[in-house]
Amino acid sequence: QKEVEQNSGPLSVPEGAIASLNCTYSDRGSQSFFWYRQYSGKSPELIMFIYSNGDKEDGRFTAQLNKASQYVSLLIRDSQPSDSATYLCAARSYNTDKLIFGTGTRLQVFP
Amino acid sequence: EAGVTQSPTHLIKTRGQQATLRCSPISGHTSVYWYQQALGLGLQFLLWYDEGEERNRGNFPPRFSGRQFPNYSSELNVNALELEDSALYLCASSLEGYEQYFGPGTRLTVT
Repeated sequence: QKEVEQNSGPLSVPEGAIASLNCTYSDRGSQSFFWYRQYSGKSPELIMFIYSNGDKEDGRFTAQLNKASQYVSLLIRDSQPSDSATYLCAARSYNTDKLIFGTGTRLQVFP
Repeated sequence: EAGVTQSPTHLIKTRGQQATLRCSPISGHTSVYWYQQALGLGLQFLLWYDEGEERNRGNFPPRFSGRQFPNYSSELNVNALELEDSALYLCASSLEGYEQYFGPGTRLTVT
């Protein structure tokens, strides 16, 4: 079992719709979670991080964390074609700084 | 504020040679992390340096090594290069173990 799992996609949504990206993790010791966006050929860019159960909103992005279900999600409202990228979910355990990444979900937003 | 910088952008080596990759963290960040992103394998944690010390390493052979200098910049060395070492090598930095910010990466090609 992979430590951080994501559906590879592609997830295709029309412009203006809500894109929902999901991630599950296996290590119950994971304390903090990160969402990165990676355009093809570029390095990952940090979008959101969440440490506590519940929702965290930043502009068009909302991160959701449910530690009991070991589930993290990222919602992108009013999706734009420029949001088309691979979204990486990462988890960090309390006793180590290393991030464990999922393999990413490719999002395609079509006009 | 300048971000994480890496050099060189591209590096071409032949099998058996050594490669040296360099990283400068965001000013004020003391932790540096190295990740390998090979095609189809996702981001894999390599090494973590903090305050000049190696704090953790991923599941990579000893020919992957590095160091962190007093100014917190870091170097990754890969000895006895193999074809499967061809990948994008990413450096990230953080302050006191919080969010990690990535540099643009060095693409290593081994022929």
